[in-house]
Amino acid sequence: GIQVEQSPPDLILQEGANSTLRCNFSDSVNNLQWFHQNPWGQLINLFYIPSGTKQNGRLSATTVATERYSLLYISSSQTTDSGVYFCAVHMNTGFQKLVFGTGTRLLVSP
Amino acid sequence: DVKVTQSSRYLVKRTGEKVFLECVQDMDHENMFWYRQDPGLGLRLIYFSYDVKMKEKGDIPEGYSVSREKKERFSLILESASTNQTSMYLCASSLDYRDSHEQYFGPGTRLTVT
Repeated sequence: GIQVEQSPPDLILQEGANSTLRCNFSDSVNNLQWFHQNPWGQLINLFYIPSGTKQNGRLSATTVATERYSLLYISSSQTTDSGVYFCAVHMNTGFQKLVFGTGTRLLVSP
Repeated sequence: DVKVTQSSRYLVKRTGEKVFLECVQDMDHENMFWYRQDPGLGLRLIYFSYDVKMKEKGDIPEGYSVSREKKERFSLILESASTNQTSMYLCASSLDYRDSHEQYFGPGTRLTVT
């Protein structure tokens, strides 16, 4: 089956720093989502991005489907950005199945 | 905004009990999903439903069943809870329209089986 790898696995930042998280996938996909899992376990939707670039405030994402990767940029990080970031790809296997990546755990310190 | 709610944030049950986890979405989505999340194993799909009374097995359906009697509600049932079903359970929903299949998740239920 498809493999979805994220890097780095762990990241520690000072408040105000910028970061780039990467998601590589091993096969063609229909679509891709980025999520932030907060410390209470809730998965928050960040981006739904099959290709191209999208921006939402301090966050932006770029997916290059032909090269099978996506990037999530966090600028001017805040302590509330801490948590785990997941990418998940949509597989068209007769139904819309999400395959999750391994996650990047981010800690932003004041 | 899409809202997906789950009946409990935390639940403690005894081995052998029958457990019901309820999920409700308010956006008239056709598709609903149940996942479990475990350290080191990530999120895994248990069951999903693409319409009322319709269900399909996901990757790890053993020990679980589901019910979808109304479009907005999707229930996960543990017929006889076991300790290896201690986990975080996440419900999600999505539209089934052209290329729009973005999944939205509920807050999760942390289930402990003792």
